[in-house]
Amino acid sequence: AQSVTQPDIHITVSEGASLELRCNYSYGATPYLFWYVQSPGQGLQLLLKYFSGDTLVQGIKGFEAEFKRSQSSFNLRKPSVHWSDAAEYFCAVINAGGTSYGKLTFGQGTILTVHP
Amino acid sequence: GAGVSQSPSNKVTEKGKDVELRCDPISGHTALYWYRQSLGQGLEFLIYFQGNSAPDKSGLPSDRFSAERTGGSVSTLTIQRTQQEDSAVYLCASSPRTSAASYNEQFFGPGTRLTVL
Repeated sequence: AQSVTQPDIHITVSEGASLELRCNYSYGATPYLFWYVQSPGQGLQLLLKYFSGDTLVQGIKGFEAEFKRSQSSFNLRKPSVHWSDAAEYFCAVINAGGTSYGKLTFGQGTILTVHP
Repeated sequence: GAGVSQSPSNKVTEKGKDVELRCDPISGHTALYWYRQSLGQGLEFLIYFQGNSAPDKSGLPSDRFSAERTGGSVSTLTIQRTQQEDSAVYLCASSPRTSAASYNEQFFGPGTRLTVL
């Protein structure tokens, strides 16, 4: 069965610092991968997605992620963090094919705290 | 607005009571998903609708949970005889997915926070 692991439960960075959130997946075929962000009391907002093609994908709010098949990773990065980026971030893989019907399997989430 | 809406935003109920949670997907989205977000369990898939049919109910945790969708639009998740372990945020998402071979972004609603006392 597919799974997603986000090793870091909580990360703290200073405003203006760079950010990398880790995500590892387990999936038998080429995965469809997503990063979502959830602000307190809000639903999930899609930051970016990888389906195929270029392994470096650009998203909204200045985020990017790189798909590395050899490492089964899809890490999220941002060169300079803003205080408004404080939120919880979820990596997810979509179940593709068969009877999966496109449901998402999520990692446990990483809470990002930004210090001024 | 044009997004996914859910009601109520918060629901407090007593153990043993039934509750209904509503989801209004984005107009024209044929696919609808329910997920549950709880401490210790993270985000879990519950059920998927394509149109009014539910080909995948594999995530429903017990037979106390059921869901329906009418008119290819609104969906209701019903929990009977609620238990304290049902306390969670219930999220609904919709997608314009049109075939088994295509996958699109899922747009999420703000969720319903259910508290069972």
